[in-house]
Amino acid sequence: DSGVTQTPKHLITATGQRVTLRCSPRSGDLSVYWYQQSLDQGLQFLIQYYNGEERAKGNILERFSAQQFPDLHSELNLSSLELGDSALYFCASSPLWTGGTEAFFGQGTRLTVV
Amino acid sequence: TQLLEQSPQFLSIQEGENLTVYCNSSSVFSSLQWYRQEPGEGPVLLVTVVTGGEVKKLKRLTFQFGDARKDSSLHITAAQPGDTGLYLCAGGNYGNNRLAFGKGNQVVVIP
Repeated sequence: DSGVTQTPKHLITATGQRVTLRCSPRSGDLSVYWYQQSLDQGLQFLIQYYNGEERAKGNILERFSAQQFPDLHSELNLSSLELGDSALYFCASSPLWTGGTEAFFGQGTRLTVV
Repeated sequence: TQLLEQSPQFLSIQEGENLTVYCNSSSVFSSLQWYRQEPGEGPVLLVTVVTGGEVKKLKRLTFQFGDARKDSSLHITAAQPGDTGLYLCAGGNYGNNRLAFGKGNQVVVIP
């Protein structure tokens, strides 16, 4: 158990819909990262938050957004969903002393868009 | 974009055999991590290497960081079925706020 909690574990939704994925980082970790994993692209960095503020953006679509709340949990919002958004979405948190170079991952949310 | 290439993409071996998989990049990293991912689960951190030429051992797994800090290898001795999984390498630079992942080495150990 990494200590990172993600919900839900599975999500099936229709094209055009909007979903919210939730993540609670490990106790004491201020950084939250979101990654998307697909068979052809591997693990792709989407976005990072640190103590409530956006710190870095990767390959995140404009239809996607995220936020980190005062209690440090984070939510990834995916809207106007397309078939190609079907993937595994992982949240990770990182201890401060690693400067973001080590990540502890949750179990992921498998999103299926039909 | 810092790219990490892992080879071979897929490897199937018999229980008890040894194997080595590789992670290569044209970029220098301040640290490199290896993760193992099983189906339906998130990647689990195995090791972090930070010094060029560093070798770390984790039971039957031996990790090496290249002298130039651009590449790494993972060697498994006497593989067991429990070693089956997707091995991912990830490169990071302190303060860069993200890890760059390779696509992984899928290892299958047949009993």
